[in-house]
Amino acid sequence: GAVVSQHPSWVICKSGTSVKIECRSLDFQATTMFWYRQFPKQSLMLMATSNEGSKATYEQGVEKDKFLINHASLTLSTLTVTSAHPEDSSFYICSASQNYGYTFGSGTRLTVV
Amino acid sequence: GESVGLHLPTLSVQEGDNSIINCAYSNSASDYFIWYKQESGKGPQFIIDIRSNMDKRQGQRVTVLLNKTVKHLSLQIAATQPGDSAVYFCAENRAAGNKLTFGGGTRVLVKP
Repeated sequence: GAVVSQHPSWVICKSGTSVKIECRSLDFQATTMFWYRQFPKQSLMLMATSNEGSKATYEQGVEKDKFLINHASLTLSTLTVTSAHPEDSSFYICSASQNYGYTFGSGTRLTVV
Repeated sequence: GESVGLHLPTLSVQEGDNSIINCAYSNSASDYFIWYKQESGKGPQFIIDIRSNMDKRQGQRVTVLLNKTVKHLSLQIAATQPGDSAVYFCAENRAAGNKLTFGGGTRVLVKP
Protein backbone atom coordinates (compact mmCIF):
# COMPACT_ATOMS: atom_id res chain seq x y z
CA GLY A 1 0.00 0.00 0.00
CA ALA A 2 0.82 3.68 -0.19
CA VAL A 3 3.45 4.80 2.29
CA VAL A 4 4.28 8.32 3.43
CA SER A 5 7.49 8.88 5.31
CA GLN A 6 7.76 11.89 7.60
CA HIS A 7 10.99 13.05 9.22
CA PRO A 8 12.00 13.77 11.83
CA SER A 9 9.59 12.00 14.17
CA TRP A 10 10.48 14.41 16.92
CA VAL A 11 12.61 17.51 17.27
CA ILE A 12 13.53 19.91 20.04
CA CYS A 13 14.74 23.34 19.07
CA LYS A 14 15.54 26.64 20.71
CA SER A 15 13.30 29.67 20.37
CA GLY A 16 14.16 31.72 17.34
CA THR A 17 15.56 28.89 15.29
CA SER A 18 13.99 27.24 12.24
CA VAL A 19 12.99 23.63 11.83
CA LYS A 20 12.36 21.73 8.61
CA ILE A 21 10.05 18.74 8.40
CA GLU A 22 10.05 16.46 5.38
CA CYS A 23 7.19 14.47 3.93
CA ARG A 24 7.88 11.89 1.25
CA SER A 25 5.56 9.60 -0.67
CA LEU A 26 7.63 6.46 -1.06
CA ASP A 27 5.81 4.41 -3.66
CA PHE A 28 3.49 6.80 -5.42
CA GLN A 29 3.42 10.29 -6.84
CA ALA A 30 1.39 12.71 -4.80
CA THR A 31 -0.01 15.61 -6.75
CA THR A 32 -1.23 17.17 -3.55
CA MET A 33 0.14 17.12 -0.03
CA PHE A 34 -1.46 18.53 3.06
CA TRP A 35 0.03 19.77 6.31
CA TYR A 36 -1.86 19.54 9.57
CA ARG A 37 -1.18 20.65 13.10
CA GLN A 38 -2.59 18.87 16.11
CA PHE A 39 -2.52 20.11 19.67
CA PRO A 40 -2.96 17.67 22.57
CA LYS A 41 -6.42 16.15 22.82
CA GLN A 42 -7.58 18.07 19.77
CA SER A 43 -8.36 17.25 16.19
CA LEU A 44 -6.20 17.74 13.14
CA MET A 45 -6.33 21.27 11.83
CA LEU A 46 -5.37 21.81 8.23
CA MET A 47 -2.61 24.38 7.81
CA ALA A 48 -2.02 24.33 4.08
CA THR A 49 -2.47 22.46 0.84
CA SER A 50 0.62 21.95 -1.24
CA ASN A 51 0.62 21.23 -4.97
CA GLU A 52 3.76 20.23 -6.79
CA GLY A 53 5.38 23.12 -8.59
CA SER A 54 3.04 25.79 -7.30
CA LYS A 55 2.58 27.91 -4.22
CA ALA A 56 0.88 26.39 -1.24
CA THR A 57 -2.63 27.42 -0.29
CA TYR A 58 -2.81 28.35 3.37
CA GLU A 59 -5.83 28.12 5.61
CA GLN A 60 -7.18 31.23 7.22
CA GLY A 61 -5.13 32.27 10.22
CA VAL A 62 -1.99 30.37 9.21
CA GLU A 63 1.01 32.64 8.70
CA LYS A 64 2.60 32.01 5.32
CA ASP A 65 5.91 33.56 6.28
CA LYS A 66 6.16 31.51 9.42
CA PHE A 67 5.22 28.14 7.97
CA LEU A 68 7.08 27.85 4.70
CA ILE A 69 6.00 25.03 2.45
CA ASN A 70 7.92 23.76 -0.52
CA HIS A 71 6.67 21.04 -2.85
CA ALA A 72 9.48 20.71 -5.34
CA SER A 73 8.66 17.23 -6.61
CA LEU A 74 5.76 14.80 -6.77
CA THR A 75 7.22 12.84 -3.88
CA LEU A 76 8.52 15.48 -1.50
CA SER A 77 7.02 18.36 0.43
CA THR A 78 8.72 20.24 3.23
CA LEU A 79 7.37 22.41 6.02
CA THR A 80 9.76 24.86 7.63
CA VAL A 81 8.75 26.47 10.89
CA THR A 82 10.68 29.71 10.93
CA SER A 83 11.69 31.60 14.05
CA ALA A 84 10.00 29.00 16.19
CA HIS A 85 8.49 29.94 19.54
CA PRO A 86 7.13 27.79 22.36
CA GLU A 87 3.56 28.28 21.12
CA ASP A 88 4.57 26.51 17.88
CA SER A 89 5.16 23.35 19.87
CA SER A 90 2.74 20.84 18.44
CA PHE A 91 2.34 17.61 16.50
CA TYR A 92 2.69 18.23 12.76
CA ILE A 93 1.32 15.68 10.33
CA CYS A 94 1.53 15.52 6.56
CA SER A 95 -0.75 13.71 4.17
CA ALA A 96 -0.28 12.81 0.54
CA SER A 97 -3.22 12.55 -1.80
CA GLN A 98 -3.68 10.27 -4.77
CA ASN A 99 -7.16 10.51 -6.30
CA TYR A 100 -9.49 9.73 -3.39
CA GLY A 101 -6.77 8.18 -1.29
CA TYR A 102 -5.11 10.01 1.57
CA THR A 103 -2.06 8.56 3.26
CA PHE A 104 -0.73 10.14 6.41
CA GLY A 105 2.78 10.39 7.72
CA SER A 106 3.61 9.31 11.24
CA GLY A 107 3.84 12.89 12.46
CA THR A 108 6.55 15.11 13.90
CA ARG A 109 6.51 16.19 17.53
CA LEU A 110 8.02 19.68 17.70
CA THR A 111 9.04 21.09 21.04
CA VAL A 112 10.37 24.63 21.16
CA VAL A 113 12.27 25.55 24.31
CA GLY B 1 -18.25 27.75 8.39
CA GLU B 2 -19.37 24.24 7.72
CA SER B 3 -17.69 21.56 9.73
CA VAL B 4 -17.72 17.98 10.82
CA GLY B 5 -18.40 17.28 14.48
CA LEU B 6 -18.86 14.43 16.89
CA HIS B 7 -21.43 13.89 19.62
CA LEU B 8 -19.36 11.92 22.16
CA PRO B 9 -15.84 12.86 23.21
CA THR B 10 -15.13 9.64 25.16
CA LEU B 11 -16.57 6.16 24.85
CA SER B 12 -15.84 3.41 27.36
CA VAL B 13 -16.69 -0.06 26.19
CA GLN B 14 -16.27 -3.52 27.63
CA GLU B 15 -14.00 -5.83 25.72
CA GLY B 16 -16.05 -7.96 23.39
CA ASP B 17 -18.92 -5.51 23.17
CA ASN B 18 -19.75 -3.50 20.08
CA SER B 19 -18.79 0.16 19.82
CA ILE B 20 -20.66 2.87 17.98
CA ILE B 21 -19.03 6.21 17.23
CA ASN B 22 -21.13 8.99 15.79
CA CYS B 23 -20.32 11.96 13.63
CA ALA B 24 -22.44 14.83 12.33
CA TYR B 25 -21.51 16.80 9.29
CA SER B 26 -23.02 19.99 7.98
CA ASN B 27 -21.64 20.27 4.46
CA SER B 28 -24.31 18.87 2.15
CA ALA B 29 -21.80 19.00 -0.73
CA SER B 30 -19.58 16.40 0.93
CA ASP B 31 -19.44 13.26 -1.15
CA TYR B 32 -16.75 11.18 0.49
CA PHE B 33 -16.26 10.26 4.11
CA ILE B 34 -13.46 8.49 5.92
CA TRP B 35 -12.98 7.12 9.40
CA TYR B 36 -9.50 7.23 10.90
CA LYS B 37 -7.97 5.70 13.99
CA GLN B 38 -5.17 7.54 15.74
CA GLU B 39 -3.02 6.05 18.44
CA SER B 40 -0.99 8.23 20.73
CA GLY B 41 1.96 9.89 18.99
CA LYS B 42 1.10 8.48 15.59
CA GLY B 43 -0.52 9.67 12.41
CA PRO B 44 -4.11 8.79 11.49
CA GLN B 45 -4.67 5.29 10.18
CA PHE B 46 -7.35 4.64 7.57
CA ILE B 47 -10.16 2.41 8.77
CA ILE B 48 -12.95 2.58 6.25
CA ASP B 49 -14.49 5.00 3.79
CA ILE B 50 -17.82 5.53 2.13
CA ARG B 51 -19.05 7.57 -0.80
CA SER B 52 -22.25 9.56 -0.73
CA ASN B 53 -23.99 7.20 -3.15
CA MET B 54 -23.91 4.49 -0.51
CA ASP B 55 -25.52 4.23 2.92
CA LYS B 56 -23.57 1.31 4.34
CA ARG B 57 -20.19 -0.26 3.89
CA GLN B 58 -18.62 -3.11 5.78
CA GLY B 59 -15.05 -4.02 6.46
CA GLN B 60 -13.36 -6.40 8.83
CA ARG B 61 -15.17 -5.90 12.16
CA VAL B 62 -16.15 -2.38 11.13
CA THR B 63 -19.23 -0.94 9.48
CA VAL B 64 -19.82 2.63 8.40
CA LEU B 65 -23.33 3.96 8.04
CA LEU B 66 -24.19 7.16 6.22
CA ASN B 67 -27.48 8.95 6.60
CA LYS B 68 -27.49 11.85 4.17
CA THR B 69 -30.95 12.96 5.20
CA VAL B 70 -29.76 13.99 8.65
CA LYS B 71 -26.09 14.35 7.69
CA HIS B 72 -24.95 11.69 10.09
CA LEU B 73 -22.13 9.18 9.91
CA SER B 74 -21.38 6.35 12.28
CA LEU B 75 -18.67 3.78 12.78
CA GLN B 76 -19.53 0.45 14.33
CA ILE B 77 -16.79 -1.76 15.69
CA ALA B 78 -17.80 -5.33 16.40
CA ALA B 79 -16.34 -7.29 19.31
CA THR B 80 -14.19 -4.41 20.49
CA GLN B 81 -10.68 -5.44 21.47
CA PRO B 82 -8.03 -3.74 23.63
CA GLY B 83 -6.14 -2.85 20.46
CA ASP B 84 -9.11 -0.76 19.39
CA SER B 85 -8.40 1.75 22.14
CA ALA B 86 -7.53 4.97 20.33
CA VAL B 87 -9.02 8.23 19.14
CA TYR B 88 -11.32 7.97 16.16
CA PHE B 89 -11.94 10.78 13.71
CA CYS B 90 -14.38 11.14 10.90
CA ALA B 91 -13.34 13.26 7.94
CA GLU B 92 -15.17 14.56 4.94
CA ASN B 93 -14.17 15.76 1.53
CA ARG B 94 -15.96 17.17 -1.48
CA ALA B 95 -13.94 15.99 -4.44
CA ALA B 96 -10.85 13.98 -5.28
CA GLY B 97 -7.71 15.70 -4.09
CA ASN B 98 -9.55 18.26 -2.02
CA LYS B 99 -8.73 18.83 1.57
CA LEU B 100 -10.16 16.73 4.33
CA THR B 101 -12.05 18.33 7.18
CA PHE B 102 -11.74 16.42 10.42
CA GLY B 103 -14.25 16.05 13.19
CA GLY B 104 -13.40 16.64 16.83
CA GLY B 105 -12.55 13.03 17.64
CA THR B 106 -13.84 10.37 20.03
CA ARG B 107 -11.60 8.51 22.42
CA VAL B 108 -12.50 4.86 22.75
CA LEU B 109 -11.36 3.13 25.93
CA VAL B 110 -11.70 -0.63 25.99
CA LYS B 111 -12.06 -2.12 29.46
CA PRO B 112 -10.80 -5.67 29.98
